[in-house]
Amino acid sequence: RKEVEQDPGPFNVPEGATVAFNCTYSNSASQSFFWYRQDCRKEPKLLMSVYSSGNEDGRFTAQLNRASQYISLLIRDSKLSDSATYLCVVILWPNAGKSTFGDGTTLTVKP
Amino acid sequence: NAGVTQTPKFQVLKTGQSMTLQCAQDMNHNSMYWYRQDPGMGLRLIYYSASEGTTDKGEVPNGYNVSRLNKREFSLRLESAAPSQTSVYFCASSPGGQILGYGYTFGSGTRLTVV
Repeated sequence: RKEVEQDPGPFNVPEGATVAFNCTYSNSASQSFFWYRQDCRKEPKLLMSVYSSGNEDGRFTAQLNRASQYISLLIRDSKLSDSATYLCVVILWPNAGKSTFGDGTTLTVKP
Repeated sequence: NAGVTQTPKFQVLKTGQSMTLQCAQDMNHNSMYWYRQDPGMGLRLIYYSASEGTTDKGEVPNGYNVSRLNKREFSLRLESAAPSQTSVYFCASSPGGQILGYGYTFGSGTRLTVV
């Protein structure tokens, strides 16, 4: 079993739709969680951190469920520009090297 | 701000050739990382440097060496390139320590092809 698993998709949704991705992790000692966005052939860019209390940034909401060991990303009112691959990252601190990236979930938003 | 700068952006090597990928950050970050990303896959950690003067192996270190030249610069060397090292290489940096919630900042990548 992979340490971090994501549904690869692709998720094809119409503009305006709500879409959610999950990411499961196997190490219960994991402490930091992030969602990154990666456009085709570009570098990953930080979308948002994920906190236990959940956090929201505009149309994006991230949640952490420690009991079930997964994080989620909800995108509301999808835009064409949201089309990208979304990577989850799980980190064991303080060993900064113990980060594990999921393989990514591909989202395509269509007109 | 430049953030994380990687050079070169593209490179083609012949099997057995050597090369060094350069990475520099201007954010005063303590930790730096080298990842590789193969088509359709996530990022895999090659080496990292938690702080200036230290380096450690990641998940896939074989065939690579690194040097943390100073706080700003972290280079990755391929001593004898193999076709299996064809990939996109990303350098990243982070504040380090237990600064939660910050994440990594990535360079724009080096696309390496070994023929």
